[in-house]
Amino acid sequence: DQQVKQNSPSLSVQEGRISILNCDYTNSMFDYFLWYKKYPAEGPTFLISISSIKDKNEDGRFTVFLNKSAKHLSLHIVPSQPGDSAVYFCAASAASGTYKYIFGTGTRLKVLA
Amino acid sequence: EAGVAQSPRYKIIEKRQSVAFWCNPISGHATLYWYQQILGQGPKLLIQFQNNGVVDDSQLPKDRFSAERLKGVDSTLKIQPAKLEDSAVYLCASSQGLSYEQYFGPGTRLTVT
Repeated sequence: DQQVKQNSPSLSVQEGRISILNCDYTNSMFDYFLWYKKYPAEGPTFLISISSIKDKNEDGRFTVFLNKSAKHLSLHIVPSQPGDSAVYFCAASAASGTYKYIFGTGTRLKVLA
Repeated sequence: EAGVAQSPRYKIIEKRQSVAFWCNPISGHATLYWYQQILGQGPKLLIQFQNNGVVDDSQLPKDRFSAERLKGVDSTLKIQPAKLEDSAVYLCASSQGLSYEQYFGPGTRLTVT
């Protein structure tokens, strides 16, 4: 049972344009969501997070939106840069319990110069 | 601040052999995680330690996998005997505590032939 889904395996975007990466979840107990970025041969690095008490969190070029009723979150990157080319994973956790992360399968973003 | 260290970075073994991975977390981080990432999938939590106690090992195949965290610092993950389906990247992560962001090491790529 895949509780966190990233239905787009890959995405190509022109440099300077907006990149939108999507993530859906099924478990209503999840209340904390994160995005990680992964370059080849490196471990994932934390990018941005959002708590379920918010619907938007912004950090520079990166904004995460959360729609709890739809169980959907998205990561917006504006403007996209070639260095943003990586695999992006969304992850979710529940405050009740062990806070363990459930990761999606990832979306490979390619920003074209 | 030094990041999470893992060794070896790559390992090739034959099925039925044993293998061990080592992780040194960020100094002062109480929580340590081992993940398995199979190609094309997101990281899957195998085991989670809080100091030297196990918080969650529900997805650890205990008939062949074992992990320990002596003195609440370094950790080792062992597979004995290995199967072909164990081929994956094994990621170690650490955090200040259960509800904090996780920092990942570069991972160990295991190939079982």
